[in-house]
Amino acid sequence: DAMVIQNPRYQVTQFGKPVTLSCSQTLNHNVMYWYQQKSSQAPKLLFHYYDKDFNNEADTPDNFQSRRPNTSFCFLDIRSPGLGDAAMYLCATSRTGVNSPLHFGNGTRLTVT
Amino acid sequence: AQKITQTQPGMFVQEKEAVTLDCTYDTSDQSYGLFWYKQPSSGEMIFLIYQGSYDEQNATEGRYSLNFQKARKSANLVISASQLGDSAMYFCAMREGLLRSSNTGKLIFGQGTTLQVKP
Repeated sequence: DAMVIQNPRYQVTQFGKPVTLSCSQTLNHNVMYWYQQKSSQAPKLLFHYYDKDFNNEADTPDNFQSRRPNTSFCFLDIRSPGLGDAAMYLCATSRTGVNSPLHFGNGTRLTVT
Repeated sequence: AQKITQTQPGMFVQEKEAVTLDCTYDTSDQSYGLFWYKQPSSGEMIFLIYQGSYDEQNATEGRYSLNFQKARKSANLVISASQLGDSAMYFCAMREGLLRSSNTGKLIFGQGTTLQVKP
């Protein structure tokens, strides 16, 4: 089945230690998104790629970076995680047609110790 | 200003009954799309139903239907014949500017409604 896969499912990192979350897709969608979701809150868009074009949200901290080496893969790098960065990180993809739904991965739950 | 408002933080419904989850939105665009997602406790986001602003009929997908009232800017989700497996958080989301070439499909989410189905 075509899908969006996030690894790892759970990630524990230390305060200040860089961490990378990964996302891959077999849907061949040209748009990929990273959302941050804290407990019982709405997902918050961090950034997204439209093909190779990177779109950063205005309020996304510089601590968060992203890479998309090809259509299938996208990475979220947190350069110096703080305790406030503990959250669920959701990767999603969609086609260009804006009536197309976002397809989400299962998420990576990040713990910062 | 909130673009998507879900006023019900939590809802209860008896199994086999219908329930309506409220969603209002704010946009000046003529073209936009409205989505509902389900998020169980396991965390994955599951797409349920879509309504386009130009769609004349309310969207339906199995037990899910969308009560779309454009003039009131509301897009309420109706779940018929509730099941225990429907217990989850439900998010309403909007994508604006369907006809803009610069639209890259950003989805704006409401705060969500937690639904609990009682046996």
